[in-house]
Amino acid sequence: DIQMTQSPSSLSASVGDRVTITCRASQSIRSYLNWYQQKPGKAPKLLIFAASTLQSGVPSRFSGSGSGTDFTLTISSLQPEDFATYYCQQTYTMPMYTFGQGTKLEIK
Amino acid sequence: QVQLVESGGGVVQPGGSLRLSCAASGFSFSAYGMHWVRQAPGKGLERVAFIRYDGSNESYVDSVRGRFTISRDNSKNTLYLQMHIMRPEDTAVYYCARDLFTYMDVWGQGTTVTVSS
Repeated sequence: DIQMTQSPSSLSASVGDRVTITCRASQSIRSYLNWYQQKPGKAPKLLIFAASTLQSGVPSRFSGSGSGTDFTLTISSLQPEDFATYYCQQTYTMPMYTFGQGTKLEIK
Repeated sequence: QVQLVESGGGVVQPGGSLRLSCAASGFSFSAYGMHWVRQAPGKGLERVAFIRYDGSNESYVDSVRGRFTISRDNSKNTLYLQMHIMRPEDTAVYYCARDLFTYMDVWGQGTTVTVSS
């Protein structure tokens, strides 16, 4: 099974900060990497698919990059509504998708 | 609008059974593969099961294989998860999600399952 490791597990930041979350795969997954945002008590929401493609309706301050084993999610200027938990997901081994353990983004 | 609504969650004793449903609306349900994803309290996301658009193929995470069965009724636009021999570690919020060929683009609101005596 492909293991997905996110770092950091938690992060404190302020409104307006630039934030980067990293996701590493245990083997190459090419660009089969997605990012989801989850707020407490809510379902996950797709932000980015195929490593760097922004889902429709997602603000442009979110961006993704990477391929192979190393990927990043960047939020260029944090907004109050961005404080949430973020998950990466590999879909290289369809349909046996696996998620990272999550990164909790908190207000400093 | 495109919507998934789960139901059927509740409290069940260890060793018991439960069936979850996921009602789809606003899109052509029969054209999409579907997933069940769960989230234990305070934990991350775990994809539990997948079924192809036509029900011809299923896959399961190792921890539920042989105990859970995913199925669908395309005439009723409904996805199911039949759970047997349930364990305390199956306690979670269960989400259904639409597969758009390598990503999950639509999610339900979730239904809570608690396995406890």
